[in-house]
Amino acid sequence: SQQGEEDPQALSIQEGENATMNCSYKTSINNLQWYRQNSGRGLVHLILIRSNEREKHSGRLRVTLDTSKKSSSLLITASRAADTASYFCATGYSSASKIIFGSGTRLSIRP
Amino acid sequence: GAVVSQHPSRVICKSGTSVKIECRSLDFQATTMFWYRQFPKQSLMLMATSNEGSKATYEQGVEKDKFLINHASLTLSTLTVTSAHPEDSSFYICSASPQGGFNTGELFFGEGSRLTVL
Repeated sequence: SQQGEEDPQALSIQEGENATMNCSYKTSINNLQWYRQNSGRGLVHLILIRSNEREKHSGRLRVTLDTSKKSSSLLITASRAADTASYFCATGYSSASKIIFGSGTRLSIRP
Repeated sequence: GAVVSQHPSRVICKSGTSVKIECRSLDFQATTMFWYRQFPKQSLMLMATSNEGSKATYEQGVEKDKFLINHASLTLSTLTVTSAHPEDSSFYICSASPQGGFNTGELFFGEGSRLTVL
């Protein structure tokens, strides 16, 4: 399969709570990125973490990367209704200049 | 950030016809663009890597004669779905990077094109 795996597939939380999504991948990567997609729209880049980095922050977003476990997590703190969307991790492979997307997590924020 | 424009956003066609989708980088040059296909509530599947001035690189299982890709300039790549059938109905999304490749930076995405084949 092209895809990495993300879990959970769907997540529903109350506004104000934190949301955590996980991503696992298969082979060595150069970097890992997280994207957001609103229904029926294109993707928006959220954050990029390089293979030599372990943690990165951007506003309410926190991303971790564990290359030994081939996994990453995205934490959204103090969630808002507007955070409702699908979130995808994407990995860039050393062997090829292309990007492979994970299976995605559908996040719903309840007001 | 960089802007990628995709057109048309929606297209409905009859079975057997061909449909062309355009992907333009508006404020940067893109030697490489990527075409993805997305089924409802699923992830993006990479179809092909479009290379300016040369042939596209197709992913395994993607029919190159079915999905024709042309990258004639540094700002334009086109995907033509030839002899479309209902099973080709999908959401097609293109992306590009100002740095020319994913490994050096983020990708910018078009808004996608929803193809419906009747």
